[in-house]
Amino acid sequence: GNSVTQMEGPVTLSEEAFLTINCTYTATGYPSLFWYVQYPGEGLQLLLKATKADDKGSNKGFEATYRKETTSFHLEKGSVQVSDSAVYFCALTPRGGATNKLIFGTGTLLAVQP
Amino acid sequence: NAGVTQTPKFQVLKTGQSMTLQCAQDMNHNSMYWYRQDPGMGLRLIYYSASEGTTDKGEVPNGYNVSRLNKREFSLRLESAAPSQTSVYFCASSEHALGLLNEQFFGPGTRLTVL
Repeated sequence: GNSVTQMEGPVTLSEEAFLTINCTYTATGYPSLFWYVQYPGEGLQLLLKATKADDKGSNKGFEATYRKETTSFHLEKGSVQVSDSAVYFCALTPRGGATNKLIFGTGTLLAVQP
Repeated sequence: NAGVTQTPKFQVLKTGQSMTLQCAQDMNHNSMYWYRQDPGMGLRLIYYSASEGTTDKGEVPNGYNVSRLNKREFSLRLESAAPSQTSVYFCASSEHALGLLNEQFFGPGTRLTVL
């Protein structure tokens, strides 16, 4: 079946530190991959996405590269800010399904300290 | 544009009570979704509506019903609430149900507690 595994949190970093949140997936075929972010008290927002192998999604200084050989889509940012504190969800949409279903990982809480 | 709105924001129910969660979107989207978010489990799809007039079960539909009232509105009903339905509920919408890059837009959520 289709599933997403991401590193457990919380991840606590100091401002300007480098961030990596690991995400690996299991899927038939070639899914589309996403990172969503949930700020405190809010709904989810799409952060970035990639639809095929070697695609790099990027937004707000965050990047993730679709790695087919390792079935991974790790999220990175070179220098985090306090305002990046949030829960980050990795997700996939299976290719060829009947609808645009999102399958989510369990989420990783990021806390950035000044 | 308000995007996706949900009411209420918070609700406390007793076991066996019923209630309806409301969701509306003003983006003229065709598809709408209901998810629940539980600690350590991410978001799981309850029901979705690919287009006005259609609804389908998701991963965890038991104990819920939905109504696609019109293109804008998609409600979720708990007929007889149980403590296992304590969760945060999110509504989402997308332009279409199919497509590789069809972004889903989420509402702010409803936090439901069943005692």
